[in-house]
Amino acid sequence: ETGVTQTPRHLVMGMTNKKSLKCEQHLGHNAMYWYKQSAKKPLELMFVYSLEERVENNSVPSRFSPECPNSSHLFLHLHTLQPEDSALYLCASSQTGTGSEKLFFGSGTQLSVL
Amino acid sequence: GQQVMQIPQYQHVQEGEDFTTYCNSSTTLSNIQWYKQRPGGHPVFLIQLVKSGEVKKQKRLTFQFGEAKKNSSLHITATQTTDVGTYFCAGRAGGTSYGKLTFGQGTILTVHP
Repeated sequence: ETGVTQTPRHLVMGMTNKKSLKCEQHLGHNAMYWYKQSAKKPLELMFVYSLEERVENNSVPSRFSPECPNSSHLFLHLHTLQPEDSALYLCASSQTGTGSEKLFFGSGTQLSVL
Repeated sequence: GQQVMQIPQYQHVQEGEDFTTYCNSSTTLSNIQWYKQRPGGHPVFLIQLVKSGEVKKQKRLTFQFGEAKKNSSLHITATQTTDVGTYFCAGRAGGTSYGKLTFGQGTILTVHP
């Protein structure tokens, strides 16, 4: 248990579906992140929220829409995805400004787009 | 943009043998972190190196940060089957924040008993 909980663990969706990934952190951190992990590729940073404000958007297609209603919760809304979007989506949190901003990852959502 | 290259991509060892993975950045780093991801799991933070030439040890694991702060290595002495997994380095360039780490591709370690 890392203190970062992601749901669902697995998700299969069609290209016309709309779904949402949920992340909750119980560590009192002030920053939350979405990462994409594809086979044979480095972890890709998608979005960063610090104090509920989006501070980073790494040229992610608009079919991915993040939402951070408070410092403990983070969502990733998905719509009209493509098969190449199939990957492990990892949420992480950290406490910025400490000099040791290590990331705490959730268990991830394994997404398959058919 | 910043790139972090990690080699080798795969390493197969017999239990008891040593293992080393190397990380090289295209730019000077303010610090570097190492993570381990077990098969089917998620990345777990191992350590952060900050100072030029820094060496840190965690039991059988030795981490080094290069003098120029552009490369790093992780060495495991006498591997055990519990060491199996993917080891990632992640570098942060000077001046960036909010956890904007650039991850290497990872080294997948398998240990044969």
